[in-house]
Amino acid sequence: EAGVAQSPRYKIIEKRQSVAFWCNPISGHATLYWYQQILGQGPKLLIQFQNNGVVDDSQLPKDRFSAERLKGVDSTLKIQPAKLEDSAVYLCASRVKGAGTDTQYFGPGTRLTVL
Amino acid sequence: GDSVTQMEGPVTLSEEAFLTINCTYTATGYPSLFWYVQYPGEGLQLLLKATKADDKGSNKGFEATYRKETTSFHLEKGSVQVSDSAVYFCALSSGANSKLTFGKGITLSVRP
Repeated sequence: EAGVAQSPRYKIIEKRQSVAFWCNPISGHATLYWYQQILGQGPKLLIQFQNNGVVDDSQLPKDRFSAERLKGVDSTLKIQPAKLEDSAVYLCASRVKGAGTDTQYFGPGTRLTVL
Repeated sequence: GDSVTQMEGPVTLSEEAFLTINCTYTATGYPSLFWYVQYPGEGLQLLLKATKADDKGSNKGFEATYRKETTSFHLEKGSVQVSDSAVYFCALSSGANSKLTFGKGITLSVRP
């Protein structure tokens, strides 16, 4: 079974530029999450999708961050314009929930550096 | 709100030493508890989990027991190997949305 795919793996941009990250979850996983992991900290949830609907975006800085999952499969996270403090690893995860199991699987992440 | 507190790191051990990494949590309701591991250059991987009080999760020689009375989920391994060098995150999941709340993580280095 293929894992969660993310691209690009690394991105360097200057402040005020825009950037987009892509995530392809594990096939059949209806729930998709985007997390931000700042160096030295644990991941923090930005947004959660159930199919193509937003379940929780309370921690998403909506003035600059946006995310979509139009067909309920792939997802894109965008930052526009980027700030220095957005430098972090952006993790995508998908979730399987069934009898006796409820587990999130993470992709390798995209490391963003804002100069 | 929910929170997870991990002991301060980093931790450096010799091979075959005993490992304990402390984790305590604050949550409403009855969360599920997890340990995730991040090996160098790789993504987060689920190491083990426990879904109710007194459950013991185990994997790859690691163990952790869900202690509701002390709100803890300490990670232990009897004999660490160099290949266990990684960053370890304690996390909890609560609510219908199963949102994960992570601790800060701790870096473990095992020397030969």
